[in-house]
Amino acid sequence: AQTVTQSQPEMSVQEAETVTLSCTYDTSENNYYLFWYKQPPSRQMILVIRQEAYKQQNATENRFSVNFQKAAKSFSLKISDSQLGDTAMYFCAFYEGGSEKLVFGKGTKLTVNP
Amino acid sequence: DAGVTQSPTHLIKTRGQQVTLRCSPKSGHDTVSWYQQALGQGPQFIFQYYEEEERQRGNFPDRFSGHQFPNYSSELNVNALLLGDSALYLCASSLLRTAVEKLFFGSGTQLSVL
Repeated sequence: AQTVTQSQPEMSVQEAETVTLSCTYDTSENNYYLFWYKQPPSRQMILVIRQEAYKQQNATENRFSVNFQKAAKSFSLKISDSQLGDTAMYFCAFYEGGSEKLVFGKGTKLTVNP
Repeated sequence: DAGVTQSPTHLIKTRGQQVTLRCSPKSGHDTVSWYQQALGQGPQFIFQYYEEEERQRGNFPDRFSGHQFPNYSSELNVNALLLGDSALYLCASSLLRTAVEKLFFGSGTQLSVL
């Protein structure tokens, strides 16, 4: 079974600084997707960024970028110029082709301090 | 666009009771998935519905059942509630052809079992 591990239960960063959240996963497949979701106090899961495993180029979305290391099965999220609105739970998730489900990690609680 | 809407937002039940949670997918979406998010955990996949049929199921007992209506809305039913069923229940919708690649979540129903 696929597993997703987030080893940092909580992190904090000063506003305008950069922070990196870690995620590792376990799979024997080659065709899969990786995601980072944000869950603010409103509880809605919001997609932050997505990476297809067959793409070597790391995905970027404005201030958010990933470091995808396929051989190491590592998928970290870098948030640049952190903003107060980035305060939330962040979940790493894995999707394997042919499956209908996302497998989530336990999450990292990120606090951005003014 | 109203996005994914879930009702009710909060619910309190007693052990042994039955509960029904409701979800309206994002406009144009035909597939609904349900996830359970226990306190301090990432969401876990319960099942997915498409064309009024269950397509895939996660590791949940038969006490958890669902239904999808012709207008694509969905219900999650849980019978014989246990204390351990207390969790946030998230509904997510998508188009089948894009599946988890473009998944939209609602804000969930917080279920407390006393």
